[in-house]
Amino acid sequence: RKEVEQDPGPFNVPEGATVAFNCTYSNSASQSFFWYRQDCRKEPKLLMSVYSSGNEDGRFTAQLNRASQYISLLIRDSKLSDSATYLCVVKTGGSQGNLIFGKGTKLSVKP
Amino acid sequence: DVKVTQSSRYLVKRTGEKVFLECVQDMDHENMFWYRQDPGLGLRLIYFSYDVKMKEKGDIPEGYSVSREKKERFSLILESASTNQTSMYLCASRTTGRGNNQPQHFGDGTRLSIL
Repeated sequence: RKEVEQDPGPFNVPEGATVAFNCTYSNSASQSFFWYRQDCRKEPKLLMSVYSSGNEDGRFTAQLNRASQYISLLIRDSKLSDSATYLCVVKTGGSQGNLIFGKGTKLSVKP
Repeated sequence: DVKVTQSSRYLVKRTGEKVFLECVQDMDHENMFWYRQDPGLGLRLIYFSYDVKMKEKGDIPEGYSVSREKKERFSLILESASTNQTSMYLCASRTTGRGNNQPQHFGDGTRLSIL
């Protein structure tokens, strides 16, 4: 089983749609969770951290289910500018643990 | 804002050459990382460093070495470049302070082609 697994997509959605990305991780000792966004030919950038209680940042909502080892990202009212690849990222270990990146899910928002 | 600077955006080298990729961060971060990113394979960790003069192998260290002589600088070295090292190389840094949720900050990337 891959350490961090995501549906590669692409997800092609119209503007205004709600889209959900899922991610599973294999290491139950994982401690920190993130979603990164990567635009074409650019570096990954942190979108949001994911907390156990779930967290929201504007149109973006992240959820974590530790029992199922499952992370999700929900984007509401999608915009053209949301088109990018979304990377699910998991950190094991303490403060010096390394990040494990999923391969990413590509989102394309169409007018 | 954290700034991670990689020395080159695009680089073309020949097979067998020794290649240096430089990375500098300006936030006094303890941890620095080198990844390569290839289509279908995602980001793979090559080497990382927790502190000056310290280095640890990542998932794919073969054919690479690193140097961390100063805290702000982390260099990736291709000892004898081969065509299968053509890739996008990404440097990142992160602080160990203030808990586990510290994100990594990436440089713009170096697109390296080995001919």
